[in-house]
Amino acid sequence: DTAVSQTPKYLVTQMGNDKSIKCEQNLGHDTMYWYKQDSKKFLKIMFSYNNKELIINETVPNRFSPKSPDKAHLNLHINSLELGDSAVYFCASIGLAGGSSYNEQFFGPGTRLTVL
Amino acid sequence: RKEVEQDPGPFNVPEGATVAFNCTYSNSASQSFFWYRQDCRKEPKLLMSVYSSGNEDGRFTAQLNRASQYISLLIRDSKLSDSATYLCVVGPGHDKIIFGKGTRLHILP
Repeated sequence: DTAVSQTPKYLVTQMGNDKSIKCEQNLGHDTMYWYKQDSKKFLKIMFSYNNKELIINETVPNRFSPKSPDKAHLNLHINSLELGDSAVYFCASIGLAGGSSYNEQFFGPGTRLTVL
Repeated sequence: RKEVEQDPGPFNVPEGATVAFNCTYSNSASQSFFWYRQDCRKEPKLLMSVYSSGNEDGRFTAQLNRASQYISLLIRDSKLSDSATYLCVVGPGHDKIIFGKGTRLHILP
């Protein structure tokens, strides 16, 4: 009963390839995110979707295209992969923490992408 | 001023000691504040929310100072298992949450 799941967990690929990462949440949240965490461990927001609509796009190259078929899924497709795309990509959803009036982000386990 | 700023550390602290982290934020309109913990090669997980009145959860105490725009985390009687990166998180609004770069903590036996 994983709350936020991502596949694959590890992805090793050649420069120039196109790849996708899938994310699903079973928490009933309306808002989902993609984050990139680079080698310096800085967690940086890439995209945010609310109920299938894009609400945040943080100057990410257009080689990255998020797709949200429904509010429980937010997939990330990357075209023409570059060496600098190597990082850990985290999916997250946001909703009220139990017994709280504040939103909490729930993260998936991450996808470690290595571009060779 | 960066949106959310933390001392990156690392903090090397002997077991049993008390350690304190501070974090400053730039947006005075920020509404929600959190501390997350991230273990090596794992996803971030919520440690605690930070309320205006301050809050305590066992060995952990979080404080918010809106006037000076900083939040703090105090860990008492530190354990080896507290070794991790602690992320300060600030929410300007309901749809965007900003993470600090994190502070690395090493508890030494």
